[in-house]
Formats: sequence, C-alpha cells, structure tokens
Amino acid sequence: DIQMTQSPSSLSASLGDTVVISCFTSQNIDRFLNWYQQRPGRAPKLLISTTSNLQAGVPSRFSGSGFGTDFTLTINSLQPEDFATYYCQQSFSSLLSFGGGTKLEIK
Amino acid sequence: QVQLQESGPGLVKPSETLSLTCTVAGDTVRSGSYHWNWIRQAPGKGLEWLGYIYNGGSATYSPSLRSRLTMSLDTSRNQFSLKLNSVTAADTALYFCARERILEKTAITRRTNGFDFWGQGTLVSVSS
Repeated sequence: DIQMTQSPSSLSASLGDTVVISCFTSQNIDRFLNWYQQRPGRAPKLLISTTSNLQAGVPSRFSGSGFGTDFTLTINSLQPEDFATYYCQQSFSSLLSFGGGTKLEIK
Repeated sequence: QVQLQESGPGLVKPSETLSLTCTVAGDTVRSGSYHWNWIRQAPGKGLEWLGYIYNGGSATYSPSLRSRLTMSLDTSRNQFSLKLNSVTAADTALYFCARERILEKTAITRRTNGFDFWGQGTLVSVSS
C-alpha cells in the first residue's frame, strides 16, 4: 500500500498570507496526486487533480506542484473561505489512500 | 449535473451488518469511464478510502476491510451499495459515496484524476 504523509497537520495563518502544504508518498506515484478541501460537516471538494490541474470554479490562488513522491499545495492571498482542512490523495495505485489532513486555521 | 445521494440506517448494532446505498443522478453507473467509491470519516478524523466498484460489477477493497466488505451495483436503479459486516464502534463514521474518473486503465494498472463528485454523506453510528 502507498502511505501518504501530509505536513504540517495544522497551520495558523492570517488573511492575505501564502501557505504551503506538503504531501509525501512512500513510493513513486508519478503525477497522480489530488488535493481536496473540506469544510466542517461537508463533503470534500476536489480542488486540484493530477498534481496541478485546477478544477473548474476553483480560484487561481490555489496551485499544486510536484512529481514522484513530493508534492505541494500552495494557497496565495488567503481568503476567509480558505480556512478549512486539506487532504492529499493518490490515484496511482488501485488501492487508493489519503493523507492525514492539514487543518488551516485563522491566526 | 451529477448528484450522488447516500441512504441507509443511521444506527446499527454491534456485530450486525451496515448496509448503505448510493443513488446516482445525471450519470450512469454503467459508464466505463468511472469508478464508484465509498469513503468514510470517523468523528474528528481523516478520510479513509473503503473501496470501489465499476461497470462490470467487479470491486476492489481496502486491505484493512476486505474480509468484511462487499460492494454491488444495481444498474436498473442506477445505484451502488456497500455492506460491512460484523461492525463495531470503530465503524461509526460519516460515510460518503463518490465518483472517480478513469484516466488510464489496463489489465494491471489504473490511474484516475480523483473524486470529482461526492454525496453529502450519511452518519452511521454503531451502538447497542
């Protein structure tokens, strides 16, 4: 199974800040890494697929990069609606897996 | 617009079987372009992938739940279902169904671009 490690597990930031969330995988997953945003009590929302493909309707302040085992999600100019929990997920293997999540809170 | 909706009992007794159904609108579970997944989230915890099923009725399960989990497809009702037997309190969670778009698929590989549509989730508690 492919293990996923997200860092940090929690993060405090202010409106307008830029934050970076990292995701590491236990084996090479090429570009097959996806990012989700989840607000409390809601289903996760796909933000970015296959490392860097922004989903329709997702603001351009969100971006993703990486390849192989190391990936990042960058959020520029934080807005109030961005404070949520973020998950990475690999879709390289037939056995799927998620990172543990990063909770982004307002400082 | 694709919509998924979970349904099933909100309370299951320990050692019994948890059964949930996901009804799909705006797409067909017969489509060879998608896999249909179940994902859960225990209270205050992260996301756990449970398994998926696809148009031929074949399924792949998480190794940690494989011995207790069965998924099925009902093409006449455009639904897919989950049965988890011998439940314990550890199975208490918010259960989501989700669609996954296939990018590449061969006899030995499967690559997708994530879960693009989700149900709202249904909370299942395991308690006597």
